[in-house]
Amino acid sequence: AQKITQTQPGMFVQEKEAVTLDCTYDTSDPSYGLFWYKQPSSGEMIFLIYQGSYDQQNATEGRYSLNFQKARKSANLVISASQLGDSAMYFCAMREGSGFQGAQKLVFGQGTRLTINP
Amino acid sequence: GAVVSQHPSWVICKSGTSVKIECRSLDFQATTMFWYRQFPKQSLMLMATSNEGSKATYEQGVEKDKFLINHASLTLSTLTVTSAHPEDSSFYICSASYRGRFSEAFFGQGTRLTVV
Repeated sequence: AQKITQTQPGMFVQEKEAVTLDCTYDTSDPSYGLFWYKQPSSGEMIFLIYQGSYDQQNATEGRYSLNFQKARKSANLVISASQLGDSAMYFCAMREGSGFQGAQKLVFGQGTRLTINP
Repeated sequence: GAVVSQHPSWVICKSGTSVKIECRSLDFQATTMFWYRQFPKQSLMLMATSNEGSKATYEQGVEKDKFLINHASLTLSTLTVTSAHPEDSSFYICSASYRGRFSEAFFGQGTRLTVV
C-alpha cells in the first residue's frame, strides 16, 4: 500500500527566507507521480509542482522546486524567497502508475501548515 | 490548467435532509472524478472514485447508501449526502483528471457542509 508522510505539522519562517517542507513516500510501484498542493484558508487545492518517478531532473516551477531523492524516497518542496501569501497548508500527494494509464487516485500526506512572518 | 467547478461552496441543512453537491469539468472531459472528504485540520481522504456511465467505487468504510455518487456525463459528477447528520458536517472536495503525463488532479473549490 502506498503511503505519504509529512512529519512537520507546522513551520514558521521569516519573510524572504527559503523554506523546505519534508515529504517521504513508500510504494512498490516503479512508476509513480509526486505532487505538491497548497491549500489556503479558502479550502481550494492549488497545484504547485509535479515530479515523475522516471524524471531525471528535479522539477522547478518559479519559486517552487522539488528536491527528489529517489533512493531515500523523499520529495521535499523548497520555496525560495518566501512571501506572506505563502502562508497556507501544504500537502504532498502520490499517484501510483503512469498518468498515461488514466486517472489514478491521489493519496495525501497529513499536511504542513506554513506561516510566513513579516 | 483545466477548470473544475464545484457547487455549492457552502451549504447548511437540517438533520435528516439530503444535500446534492455538483462537480463539473468546464473545459475538458473527465471520465473519472474523485470525491474527497476533509475534516478540520486533517488531510484529504478519498471517499469514492466516480466513473462516467458506471457505478462508483467506494473506499473501505464509506457508506454507499449514504453518499450517493452519480457520474451521468463526461463533465458532471454529483455527490448526494442522504439523511444527513451532524457528523456528516465536513469539507467535501472533488477532483478530475485526464490522461497524460501529469495526470494531475484538478480540484473544485470544495463544499463546506454543515448539518444542524
